[in-house]
Amino acid sequence: DTGVSQNPRHKITKRGQNVTFRCDPISEHNRLYWYRQTLGQGPEFLTYFQNEAQLEKSRLLSDRFSAERPKGSFSTLEIQRTEQGDSAMYLCASSKQGKKLFFGSGTQLSVL
Amino acid sequence: AQKVTQAQTEISVVEKEDVTLDCVYETRDTTYYLFWYKQPPSGELVFLIRRNSFDEQNEISGRYSWNFQKSTSSFNFTITASQVVDSAVYFCALSEDTGKLIFGQGTTLQVKP
Repeated sequence: DTGVSQNPRHKITKRGQNVTFRCDPISEHNRLYWYRQTLGQGPEFLTYFQNEAQLEKSRLLSDRFSAERPKGSFSTLEIQRTEQGDSAMYLCASSKQGKKLFFGSGTQLSVL
Repeated sequence: AQKVTQAQTEISVVEKEDVTLDCVYETRDTTYYLFWYKQPPSGELVFLIRRNSFDEQNEISGRYSWNFQKSTSSFNFTITASQVVDSAVYFCALSEDTGKLIFGQGTTLQVKP
């Protein structure tokens, strides 16, 4: 296993700009999850996919957030019209059938 | 609703001391899974253990041990003979079958030499 890969590692953007993050899960893991973590808090669930189908979205995921997983492989998380409150670590995880989740190193987003 | 509470925000111990991290959970599901993850300063969450709700056997892995008590809805984690490398934030988490994890707030463990 090469592990869950996330890019970029850090992203600094100005308020109002759009940003996109990418997650490459462990191959053959059919489930992929996105979480958000702010300083001093535990990760909060945002959404998850089983293969290419997005099965659940948290109420935390406002209309400005969209996630895709075309072909059931890598996933992208886009935030439109970023706000300062979007500043956080965005974590991706993958698993086989919801068993042990393997996390990536995350993308740290700073909105100025 | 599911909830995980880690009442200890920060713990500081001296190397070689034993330390227990507490975790209390709430769920109405009869089938659920409990996890512990370690988050070192590098930021990546490292899986430590997964237990299902039907398996209350305590588990030991090297210096780590876990005590699952359904009667008190607790899943506590003990590190024996702590080492400086154990310094990290530790998260307890709960999930249904989907794998969607509900995390606690985390306990920051500092092990001093």
